[in-house]
Order: sequence, then C-alpha cells, then structure tokens
Amino acid sequence: ETGVTQSPTHLIKTRGQQVTLRCSSQSGHNTVSWYQQALGQGPQFIFQYYREEENGRGNFPPRFSGLQFPNYSSELNVNALELDDSALYLCASSLILAGLPDTQYFGPGTRLTVL
Amino acid sequence: AQTVTQSQPEMSVQEAETVTLSCTYDTSENNYYLFWYKQPPSRQMILVIRQEAYKQQNATENRFSVNFQKAAKSFSLKISDSQLGDTAMYFCAFMMRGRDDKIIFGKGTRLHILP
Repeated sequence: ETGVTQSPTHLIKTRGQQVTLRCSSQSGHNTVSWYQQALGQGPQFIFQYYREEENGRGNFPPRFSGLQFPNYSSELNVNALELDDSALYLCASSLILAGLPDTQYFGPGTRLTVL
Repeated sequence: AQTVTQSQPEMSVQEAETVTLSCTYDTSENNYYLFWYKQPPSRQMILVIRQEAYKQQNATENRFSVNFQKAAKSFSLKISDSQLGDTAMYFCAFMMRGRDDKIIFGKGTRLHILP
C-alpha cells in the first residue's frame, strides 16, 4: 500500500509569484484535503477535493485554488504569494464511502518560504 | 463553530514514565470523530488514535489510550511506558461525521521524552 506523497519537499518563492504544490493520495482513497500549518501552530483547513470537485473550503482567499485529477492526485495553487503564505502545506487523503468520510492520512508536507 | 483546546503547550517526562496530554473541545453536534495526531521533527503527521463519539468504550492502541468524556467534552491521551521515539508535537483534532469533512486541530502539545 502506497502512502501519501507530496512534492516538492521545500520551495522558495518571492512575493507576487505563483506556486503549485502536488499530492498523490494513498491507494484506495478518493478524497484529498489541503492544510496550511504556520510555524508553531496547528494545521488550518484550506479545502477538500472529492470526485474532482471542491467539497468544502476553509477561510482562505480565492488566490488559493486546487485541482483533483481522475487518479485522485491533487494540486494546490497559490497566486500572488504573500509573506504570510510561508508555511508547511500538508496534504491528507481519505476515503468517502456512501457519503461518509473516514480518517485522513497525511503526507510529509511541502515547506514553502516566501521572501 | 467547533473549537479544540490544548492547555499544555509543552511537557517533559522521563523515559518509561506515563504521561497524559489534555484536550477539550466544544461542539453542539452529537456525531463526530476525535483524533490524536503525532508530528515528530520529520514533520510527518501520524495518526496515533481515533475515537468515534458514539462509542462509549475508550480507544486503545498498544501503549496509547484515551479517556473520552463526552459530557465534559474532554479527550485526553495517555502514553504508557514512554519511549524516546515518542518525542513529538501532539495534536488533538475533531472532525464531524457525515458532513463538513475538515479536521479542526488544537494548537498542539510539545512532548519531550528524556533519557
């Protein structure tokens, strides 16, 4: 069984740039959720994708967007980067069966630094 | 809105001792999951234990057990025979069951196991 993987591991961007982060879900899972974890804080929910559509969104502006592909992998895109976007970005995969969500399993994260 | 509170920012215990991490949460819902996740310095968020709110029996996983008090909205984690590898940040987390699949995390407790 393959676990959740994320790429890249680390990324450095400058303010105003755009970034794309990638996530491959665990085999057998159909749902991907993205979280932002600022230094010293708990993760904050950004959004979730299920069946290639957004299935819930946290309190993040529209410049945070995402995609889910037919193989259930996912991308997180952030436009017009700001210094406060510097954080660890975590992807979690899970299985929604008969409309009921199950436990989320996390990837190792992407550390984004915005200069 | 649901909230999760961890009142112990940092704890230290000697190896082989037992330690209890506290967590309280607030919700008006009746059907939900509670989790403890562990995040070691490697950053990978690892599921430690899961409790379903409708189950009265406390969950256990080897050296890890919880004390789930639904009426008091309390969900503490007990680690028995603590090991050096237990050193990590521990997050208490809440998720609704059936809708709104986001996980709400507490701010975490940093646990140091001392040799």
